[in-house]
Amino acid sequence: EVQLVESGGGLVQPGGSLRLSCAASGFTFTKFWMSWVRQAPGKGLEWVANINEHGTEMRYVDSVKGRFTISRDNAKNSIYLQMNSLRAEDTAVYYCTKGNWGDNWGQGTLVTVSS
Amino acid sequence: DVVMTQSPLSLPVTLGQPASISCRSSQSLVHSDGNTYLNWFQQRPGQSPRRLIYMVSHRDSGVPDRFSGSGSGTNFTLKISRVEAEDVGVFYCMQTTHWPPFTFGPGTKVDIK
Repeated sequence: EVQLVESGGGLVQPGGSLRLSCAASGFTFTKFWMSWVRQAPGKGLEWVANINEHGTEMRYVDSVKGRFTISRDNAKNSIYLQMNSLRAEDTAVYYCTKGNWGDNWGQGTLVTVSS
Repeated sequence: DVVMTQSPLSLPVTLGQPASISCRSSQSLVHSDGNTYLNWFQQRPGQSPRRLIYMVSHRDSGVPDRFSGSGSGTNFTLKISRVEAEDVGVFYCMQTTHWPPFTFGPGTKVDIK
């Protein structure tokens, strides 16, 4: 069974940083792109970033370019999202997803950016 | 970026009756490889999204066959043949043909009349 478990969310002040983690299991991690998708409170879904199987290609939505960095550790079956220069509009539940087509989703981790 | 629109945004339905959600894209979702990468997701209240349909019409494992997807080019439809109480939630379409970024529709909220 595919499992994706996010962690690392919390309350952070504007301009601050946070690092999210996603631990994956139940599938051959090294064969899949992985993505982060977020959902602001009461709003819809927004794709944030993805990373290829080897960790050599990363793509981002324009609103986070230069502030967020996606990475992965294939030895630990994990992906990460380093979020810097956080803004109020980054407040959301952040989901880790398997593949580029949203095959499976984690339970999400809430990031709140507020003073 | 490809803009996805959905209609209606709110859909009150009667149990046992059919329901249909439309999704349109600002440009054709036919990929250069000939495939069309349009997916449908359901998000039940308080839950994470789960995929129902991929590549327009392929139902995911465990998804009831009352859900079906169709369409081509820029126009797509998700149909529920007979709505059940567990179908309440928000349904999203998502294109993964032209990226980055992948883009979602705004969502259609389905509830019971």
